[in-house]
Amino acid sequence: SQTIHQWPATLVQPVGSPLSLECTVEGTSNPNLYWYRQAAGRGLQLLFYSVGIGQISSEVPQNLSASRPQDRQFILSSKKLLLSDSGFYLCAWTPGQGGGTEAFFGQGTRLTVV
Amino acid sequence: AQSVAQPEDQVNVAEGNPLTVKCTYSVSGNPYLFWYVQYPNRGLQFLLKYITGDNLVKGSYGFEAEFNKSQTSFHLKKPSALVSDSALYFCAVREWGSYIPTFGRGTSLIVHP
Repeated sequence: SQTIHQWPATLVQPVGSPLSLECTVEGTSNPNLYWYRQAAGRGLQLLFYSVGIGQISSEVPQNLSASRPQDRQFILSSKKLLLSDSGFYLCAWTPGQGGGTEAFFGQGTRLTVV
Repeated sequence: AQSVAQPEDQVNVAEGNPLTVKCTYSVSGNPYLFWYVQYPNRGLQFLLKYITGDNLVKGSYGFEAEFNKSQTSFHLKKPSALVSDSALYFCAVREWGSYIPTFGRGTSLIVHP
């Protein structure tokens, strides 16, 4: 069966420090991968998505970047964190063939920038 | 372009009563529609989906939803609410051929004992 792993679960980082959040998917190949941010207002904001290795689409220009070095690995990064980067970050995947399949979410990372 | 609206930030219901969480959508073509539930500090969990066929779809934990094409709605329902149903509920839409699901802002369901 397919599983998605996201870590760490919580993170407290000072302003100006770098960030690296990692997400891996098991049990499937060529998934579509997504990074979302959920702020206190609770809506989900799509940050990046990827339909293949090295293919990254950015939905919102900001202080963050994403990379997909391997088929089932998706990394969210920042060189210098801002206070406004605080939030709950969620990784998700859907099958590469698309269709009516639902998205599968990781457990999330609570990032607090201090 | 695709979009989803959840008009209620919060829904309050007494345990044992029926519940409805509303969702309307907008797509250019045919939609895939989904409902997810989120518990505090957790990822979203899939509840149910509409792809095609019967307008009434049944999902996990006794939830169901009705697809109404003329009203572009996909309301989530449950005949008898439980306190444990209290959580944040998200409606999502993905247009056929699109890679990207669009989520609503979420509705907080509070079930009172």
